[in-house]
Amino acid sequence: GAVVSQHPSWVICKSGTSVKIECRSLDFQATTMFWYRQFPKQSLMLMATSNEGSKATYEQGVEKDKFLINHASLTLSTLTVTSAHPEDSSFYICSAPSNRDQPQHFGDGTRLSIL
Amino acid sequence: DAKTTQPTSMDCAEGRAANLPCNHSTISGNEYVYWYRQIHSQGPQYIIHGLKNNETNEMASLIITEDRKSSTLILPHATLRDTAVYYCIVRVGSNYKLTFGKGTLLTVNP
Repeated sequence: GAVVSQHPSWVICKSGTSVKIECRSLDFQATTMFWYRQFPKQSLMLMATSNEGSKATYEQGVEKDKFLINHASLTLSTLTVTSAHPEDSSFYICSAPSNRDQPQHFGDGTRLSIL
Repeated sequence: DAKTTQPTSMDCAEGRAANLPCNHSTISGNEYVYWYRQIHSQGPQYIIHGLKNNETNEMASLIITEDRKSSTLILPHATLRDTAVYYCIVRVGSNYKLTFGKGTLLTVNP
């Protein structure tokens, strides 16, 4: 079946650094990918919709200058957390639909810890 | 997308059927019912979806009431590995956004 791969699965870095997370569709092309964030004991919250070849669409309250999204190819979307701070520590998850009528496929998530 | 209501938590004995309910009383005629689950520290896993008819696959069965205002996910023989948070989501098929509620924490006990 369709597979979405996320990398890295776990990252720890110092406050103020930028962190890039990759989301790849391994056996299908994805013109759209989604980025979610999940804090402990909470549900997934959609952050933004990544569109291949165009600007991402951000949900209300998500800072687009802080969470940079690039969708340069049909199989790769990246999320860069710029100048990360401890409050950005969270579980980041991407997803993509393999086609219009198929369910979304999720990556295994990236656990980000900012010290 | 229509809002869903699920119990916060449920328990099930290993080997027995787990029946997880979901209310979606404001569902529209063109909205599908999707079920995902999330095992701790992993990304959500697709289970099953349906529009009007009952559906079955290798993982589960989905029973949708005739008025489509509620549905039940059935895991026929629950195992310890089925312990997870189960999300019922309603959305239009062509709208890719998924809005996650709090879901139901299913705990399968030995």
